Amino acid sequence: GQNIDQPTEMTATEGAIVQINCTYQTSGFNGLFWYQQHAGEAPTFLSYNVLDGLEEKGRFSSFLSRSKGYSYLLLKELQMKDSASYLCAGANTGGFKTIFGAGTRLFVKA
Amino acid sequence: ETGVTQTPRHLVMGMTNKKSLKCEQHLGHNAMYWYKQSAKKPLELMFVYSLEERVENNSVPSRFSPECPNSSHLFLHLHTLQPEDSALYLCASSQEGSYTGELFFGEGSRLTVL
Repeated sequence: GQNIDQPTEMTATEGAIVQINCTYQTSGFNGLFWYQQHAGEAPTFLSYNVLDGLEEKGRFSSFLSRSKGYSYLLLKELQMKDSASYLCAGANTGGFKTIFGAGTRLFVKA
Repeated sequence: ETGVTQTPRHLVMGMTNKKSLKCEQHLGHNAMYWYKQSAKKPLELMFVYSLEERVENNSVPSRFSPECPNSSHLFLHLHTLQPEDSALYLCASSQEGSYTGELFFGEGSRLTVL
């Protein structure tokens, strides 16, 4: 079966670091995505991990452990504009048949 | 102009109406998707088209009928919908065979069924 779990909501302070966790029980996933979705807008691609380890991209980093079915998104130097939903998603082959978690709503406060 | 455009952005319809959602992608991608997004629920994959052929239909009720006339356009035809079908319908495209194959989403069509 396919199941992706992530916390419903998180709150963090501007300038701080926040880690959003994602666990998954799937068969056949060979990649793990993170997308960002601001309220009323389309989801946009943040990162893709196919190998174990940490991928860093500016203020955002994403980690994957395939053996543990675990990923996290790390956001550094938080800004108010980072307030959004963060969607964890697994894919069988690239983007084909991408399966999403329910998303984590992040609130950044001053 | 965004890569994936959806019209209309908002739609209100009665249960006996027939309407269509339209999606157009300007990215030269070879796969297109319909997703349903309801409050506090995961994005639900509805249909996938690859090279204009439907390759995925996730047990979607027949009151939703997709159409993909070419690689750039995707429609979702709606008829005799139920109030529980009210949701945000997102179209996406991707390039299968690319390294990530990430999805590029449109802004969505907000559907309200009365």
